[in-house]
Amino acid sequence: EVQLVQSGAEVKKPGESLKISCKGSGYSFTSYWIGWVRQMPGKGLEWMGIIYPGDSDTRYSPSFQGQVTISADKSISTAYLQWSSLKASDTAMYYCVYGSGSFVWGQGTMVTVSS
Amino acid sequence: VIWMTQSPSLLSASTGDRVTISCRMSQGISSYLAWYQQKPGKAPELLIYAASTLQSGVPSRFSGSGSGTDFTLTISCLQSEDFATYYCQQYYSFPWTFGQGTKVEIK
Repeated sequence: EVQLVQSGAEVKKPGESLKISCKGSGYSFTSYWIGWVRQMPGKGLEWMGIIYPGDSDTRYSPSFQGQVTISADKSISTAYLQWSSLKASDTAMYYCVYGSGSFVWGQGTMVTVSS
Repeated sequence: VIWMTQSPSLLSASTGDRVTISCRMSQGISSYLAWYQQKPGKAPELLIYAASTLQSGVPSRFSGSGSGTDFTLTISCLQSEDFATYYCQQYYSFPWTFGQGTKVEIK
């Protein structure tokens, strides 16, 4: 069974850094794109970017370019989403998503940024 | 960037109704379109991909059609568990994008 398991909820202060993870299993991790989706409270879904773990080719949506870093460690089948300096506006649920058609979603990681 | 116009944003319907949701693209995407259902507090669930392929386990009352720029999600006979928010998503070109969502509520 294809499965994505994300790291747990985080509560951070503005200006702090954060790296959340998404571990894939049940498929060839290096063979398909894996991406991140943001959902702010009460709002719709937004693609942030995607990475191809086989060669680390990474694409960002214009709104998120320079704001986050997407990476992957194929040796442990894990993708990451990273912030160097969080803002209150980063408070959201973040989902990792794998595939290119028959997409599989992780359970989500809630990130709360508050002073 | 491919822009998507999903309509309506809110749909009031009754159990047993046939409902349709539209998604229009700013440029052609062949059949690289997916539809999702999301319930409050849950991750989105894939209903349809490749515009018309039903995901395994999804009831047959859900169907998708279209290609190029115009796509439709149809629920043939609305059930109580179908009241949720629905999103379309194109994966034809980067950046992949979502529609704005359609909330299906009880009339």
